[in-house]
Amino acid sequence: NAGVTQTPKFRVLKTGQSMTLLCAQDMNHEYMYWYRQDPGMGLRLIHYSVGEGTTAKGEVPDGYNVSRLKKQNFLLGLESAAPSQTSVYFCASSYLLAGAPRQYFGPGTRLLVL
Amino acid sequence: GQQLNQSPQSMFIQEGEDVSMNCTSSSIFNTWLWYKQDPGEGPVLLIALYKAGELTSNGRLTAQFGITRKDSFLNISASIPSDVGIYFCAGQRQGSGNTGKLIFGQGTTLQVKP
Repeated sequence: NAGVTQTPKFRVLKTGQSMTLLCAQDMNHEYMYWYRQDPGMGLRLIHYSVGEGTTAKGEVPDGYNVSRLKKQNFLLGLESAAPSQTSVYFCASSYLLAGAPRQYFGPGTRLLVL
Repeated sequence: GQQLNQSPQSMFIQEGEDVSMNCTSSSIFNTWLWYKQDPGEGPVLLIALYKAGELTSNGRLTAQFGITRKDSFLNISASIPSDVGIYFCAGQRQGSGNTGKLIFGQGTTLQVKP
């Protein structure tokens, strides 16, 4: 049981390049989330999904797109990377216990945009 | 934007000391979670709280769901060097529906001097 895994672990991009971050979970969770973490700002929600085939915008969605074609995978895309997107990206999956969430996080992807 | 105020931002303590940190909001929350993040890793769930006034322990960690439902507290007793890391509070705001979305505090960075 690997939990939540993220690919790649680290990536360097040039401004304008595109890339896709992959998140996979093997816990059969319905809910999945993408966050970015910047110093002093905690974790901010980019996009989330409440089930296969569904996605919704979070707090900071601009410049990102997502897809949830399979229940176990949640992809985060950057179509045209900008230096402001340099950050650490975390994926999480969750189930609801009596309506309350318990989110489990992956190890993160460190992205540097030059 | 951020709706949780976590304090203190950082703490530098001596091994063996007790630690207290808290999270406050102007909104009502129906779930509070506390996470710990080790350097280079994703956040790990420590304690989950689901009812106002609830007091829950996990080893040397004790957390409480504030009676007003607008705050939560985390205490660590007899700190040890491996307690070093960033501690995040997170909450599910009342009225957020069955999305499982959490709002995160900015984090408390804890350093322990042996």
